[in-house]
Amino acid sequence: DTAVSQTPKYLVTQMGNDKSIKCEQNLGHDTMYWYKQDSKKFLKIMFSYNNKELIINETVPNRFSPKSPDKAHLNLHINSLELGDSAVYFCASSLGQASGNTIYFGEGSWLTVV
Amino acid sequence: AQSVSQHNHHVILSEAASLELGCNYSYGGTVNLFWYVQYPGQHLQLLLKYFSGDPLVKGIKGFEAEFIKSKFSFNLRKPSVQWSDTAEYFCAVRGNNRLAFGKGNQVVVIP
Repeated sequence: DTAVSQTPKYLVTQMGNDKSIKCEQNLGHDTMYWYKQDSKKFLKIMFSYNNKELIINETVPNRFSPKSPDKAHLNLHINSLELGDSAVYFCASSLGQASGNTIYFGEGSWLTVV
Repeated sequence: AQSVSQHNHHVILSEAASLELGCNYSYGGTVNLFWYVQYPGQHLQLLLKYFSGDPLVKGIKGFEAEFIKSKFSFNLRKPSVQWSDTAEYFCAVRGNNRLAFGKGNQVVVIP
């Protein structure tokens, strides 16, 4: 009964391909996030959705497009993959946007672009 | 936007030694503070958090952290580490709907 689940866990693909990472949470949360962890382990927020609406969109190339079909799902689609996109992508969720709410993370999706 | 600084990125110590990881943040408003741990090959797990009240918070696995508002700090401590504490530790600050992470401390405990 995983709380925040991401698929796939590992993804190796060639430059130029388009790929998607899916995320689902069963915690009843209404806010979901995508974080990127680079090779130096630095974590940075990419997107945040609250009730299917985009509320945070950090400086991310427009090749990255999040899609939230409902508040329990937030998928990440990446077009024209580049070598620099290789990273671990973490999905997360929380109840509401208030600062007092803990954010729970998925297990990460290891993306390698060759 | 808030920012988080963690010092001494690589820490190597022996079992039973005491551990202290520093975390400083910059943000003018109300913040909530977190420490997350990432064991090798695993996802981020919440170690402890501070929202309000007693500035000394206790988390899982014997970890504790102290919020010192005047110093904008939230240092993590454990009096006696174990080999299983080998992991990456991330301090995070949440303010203005954003959770910002520090660059992490890679901690290696030698048996």
